[in-house]
Amino acid sequence: NAGVTQTPKFQVLKTGQSMTLQCAQDMNHNSMYWYRQDPGMGLRLIYYSASEGTTDKGEVPNGYNVSRLNKREFSLRLESAAPSQTSVYFCASSKGTGATYEQYFGPGTRLTVT
Amino acid sequence: GQQLNQSPQSMFIQEGEDVSMNCTSSSIFNTWLWYKQDPGEGPVLLIALYKAGELTSNGRLTAQFGITRKDSFLNISASIPSDVGIYFCAGAGGTSYGKLTFGQGTILTVHP
Repeated sequence: NAGVTQTPKFQVLKTGQSMTLQCAQDMNHNSMYWYRQDPGMGLRLIYYSASEGTTDKGEVPNGYNVSRLNKREFSLRLESAAPSQTSVYFCASSKGTGATYEQYFGPGTRLTVT
Repeated sequence: GQQLNQSPQSMFIQEGEDVSMNCTSSSIFNTWLWYKQDPGEGPVLLIALYKAGELTSNGRLTAQFGITRKDSFLNISASIPSDVGIYFCAGAGGTSYGKLTFGQGTILTVHP
């Protein structure tokens, strides 16, 4: 049981380049989330998918798009990277049923945009 | 949106000391969660609290769900060097069903 996996672990982009961050979970969870973490800001929700086939904006969605490819996979795309998107990105998943809010996180992707 | 204030922002303690940190909110939450993040890793769930007044332990960690449902507390007893990391509180419920709101984190440093 790998839990939540993310690729790549590190990435350097030039301003204007695009890339997709991949996330997969093997816990049969319904809900998946993308966060960014910046120093002193805690974790901020970018997008989430309450269930397969649905996606919704979080607190800081501008400049990002997501795809819930299937129940296991949830990808985050940066179409035209900007230096303000330099951050650590975490994917998380949860059962998403009943009153269960416990989210389980992947190891993160450290992205630098120059 | 909902805001969580976590304090203190950082703590420097000696090994063996007890630690207390807390989170307060302007909104009511139905769930409080506490996470720990080691350097270079993702957050790991420590304790989940689902009932106002609930007191839950996990080894040397004890967390409480405040009676007002607007706050939560985490205590670590007899700290050890591996307790070093960032501790986050997170709240959920009310209008944010399924989503978590995170505090800014408490950075804990333990001196041997």
